[in-house]
Amino acid sequence: DIQMTQSPSSLSASVGDRVTITCRTSQRITTYVNWYQLKPGKAPKLLIYAASNLQPGVPSRFSGRGSGTDFTLTISSLQPEDFATYYCQQTYSTLWTFGHGTKVEIK
Amino acid sequence: EVQLVQSGAEVKKPGESLKISCKGSGYTFNNYWVAWVRQMPGKGLEWMGIIYPADSDTRYSPSFQGQVTISADKSITTAYLQWRSLKPSDTAIYYCARLEDIVGAYFDYWGQGTLVTVSS
Repeated sequence: DIQMTQSPSSLSASVGDRVTITCRTSQRITTYVNWYQLKPGKAPKLLIYAASNLQPGVPSRFSGRGSGTDFTLTISSLQPEDFATYYCQQTYSTLWTFGHGTKVEIK
Repeated sequence: EVQLVQSGAEVKKPGESLKISCKGSGYTFNNYWVAWVRQMPGKGLEWMGIIYPADSDTRYSPSFQGQVTISADKSITTAYLQWRSLKPSDTAIYYCARLEDIVGAYFDYWGQGTLVTVSS
């Protein structure tokens, strides 16, 4: 299985802050990484696919980078609606796996 | 508008059977794989398996093979996740999601989740 090491597991930030979440994979997976946002009681939302492609309708303050084994999700200016849990996912192997999540909380 | 609408919350006893559903609309249901993803209380996401409604081709994560059954009825654009004998450890939120694979593979639309509680 491809392991996804996501960090940090949680962070506290203020509105307007720049936030970066990292995902490291146990083997090289080109750009087969996606990022999702989860909020309690709501359907999960795709933010970024194939490492750096912004899903239509997602605000441009979200961006993704990386290839090989190291990937990042960045929120350039945190907004109140961005407080949520974020997950990376790899779809390189036939067994798709997720990171353990990063909870973004209000400072 | 693409929508995946899941069936409502369930409370079951250990040993009981259960089938939850995920109805797709706003797109050609037959042409997209539909996946199931588990989120246990306080935990992360786990991919369980996936089905292609056009021919019911189904793939399972090894962790869930033999534990659940994924099926679909293309005539009513609905996918299902089924248990024959529930365990307390099946308590979780279960999401369905549509797979898009134009650039890589990713879940572009998700259902709202079905909370399954298994308790005596």
